[in-house]
Amino acid sequence: NAGVTQTPKFRVLKTGQSMTLLCAQDMNHEYMYWYRQDPGMGLRLIHYSVGEGTTAKGEVPDGYNVSRLKKQNFLLGLESAAPSQTSVYFCASSYGQGTGYEQYFGPGTRLTVT
Amino acid sequence: DAKTTQPNSMESNEEEPVHLPCNHSTISGTDYIHWYRQLPSQGPEYVIHGLTSNVNNRMASLAIAEDRKSSTLILHRATLRDAAVYYCILRIWQGGSEKLVFGKGTKLTVNP
Repeated sequence: NAGVTQTPKFRVLKTGQSMTLLCAQDMNHEYMYWYRQDPGMGLRLIHYSVGEGTTAKGEVPDGYNVSRLKKQNFLLGLESAAPSQTSVYFCASSYGQGTGYEQYFGPGTRLTVT
Repeated sequence: DAKTTQPNSMESNEEEPVHLPCNHSTISGTDYIHWYRQLPSQGPEYVIHGLTSNVNNRMASLAIAEDRKSSTLILHRATLRDAAVYYCILRIWQGGSEKLVFGKGTKLTVNP
């Protein structure tokens, strides 16, 4: 049981390049989330999904797109990377609805945009 | 916006209890209080959560004020492995879904 995994672990992009971050979970969770964490800050929600085929915007969605074609995978795309998107990105998943459920986080992807 | 306020940093000695405070004066009746911690270079890890009553689990205890405007995470015997940033978070229901609203957290240093 691997939990939540993220690919890649590190990436350096040039301004204007595109990339996709992959998140996978093997816990059969319905909910999945993408967060970003900037130095000295807490996590901010980018996009989330409440089930296969659904996505919704979080707190800071601009410049990012997401897709949830399979229940176990949640992809985060950057179409035209900007230096302001330099950050550590965390994926998380949770069992379902209801404000009691805990979220399980992946190890993070450190992205630098030059 | 739901918001939490925590001290930036706290220090403790190994094997002593630690009380980490959190203020959440804007909490509404259906918001759960969650605590997560983040070790260096890792993703956040769930610690404990509660709604109104005090809660205990194998990692910690959560004491919630009667008016729910504040809470305290209690580590009964701190170890070096407990050194981390601790986030007090409101888990809210908003816009048809649930969200975690992170603050800046408290960096806990544990001295040997």
